[in-house]
Amino acid sequence: GEDVEQSLFLSVREGDSSVINCTYTDSSSTYLYWYKQEPGAGLQLLTYIFSNMDMKQDQRLTVLLNKKDKHLSLRIADTQTGDSAIYFCADTGNQFYFGTGTSLTVIP
Amino acid sequence: DVKVTQSSRYLVKRTGEKVFLECVQDMDHENMFWYRQDPGLGLRLIYFSYDVKMKEKGDIPEGYSVSREKKERFSLILESASTNQTSMYLCASSTLEGYGYTFGSGTRLTVV
Repeated sequence: GEDVEQSLFLSVREGDSSVINCTYTDSSSTYLYWYKQEPGAGLQLLTYIFSNMDMKQDQRLTVLLNKKDKHLSLRIADTQTGDSAIYFCADTGNQFYFGTGTSLTVIP
Repeated sequence: DVKVTQSSRYLVKRTGEKVFLECVQDMDHENMFWYRQDPGLGLRLIYFSYDVKMKEKGDIPEGYSVSREKKERFSLILESASTNQTSMYLCASSTLEGYGYTFGSGTRLTVV
């Protein structure tokens, strides 16, 4: 099966930018997604990028896709304490695979 | 507002019981999925379905079965629950092309 990899933990100070990285192996992906999961809750869709795009911006969120390196990143500008959560990238190629999640902690 | 609804938020069952987890979506999506989420392991795909009465095994189907008799409903069945099936179970749906991937709020199952 495919591997979707993320680092497990990230800590940033409130007001700084956060960058969460993801690498994947399936080159047939049509869409790549970012989800946010707050404690005890399900996964909330944050944003997605179509595989023929390099970048997508949505308010404080910027998604960068490097198809050659199979690398996806999520940048959160002006990170707030409410952004503390686990962030999952997901690759919807031939099947549907999620990374292990990156736990973002925002320090006031 | 489009939704994926899981019937129970919390469930406690005894070892050996047959357990049904229900999921309903109102988006007319073709694909439906069941995942389990465990600390440090992320989301692992149990089963998915791309059409009524169709099912495909995911990464960890052992000990589980599924049923999709109607397009909007996808059920996960634990034939004989065991303590190692204590987990958070998440249902999701999407179009056939993988667009609009939406999750339910999850069912936290505890098997005692």
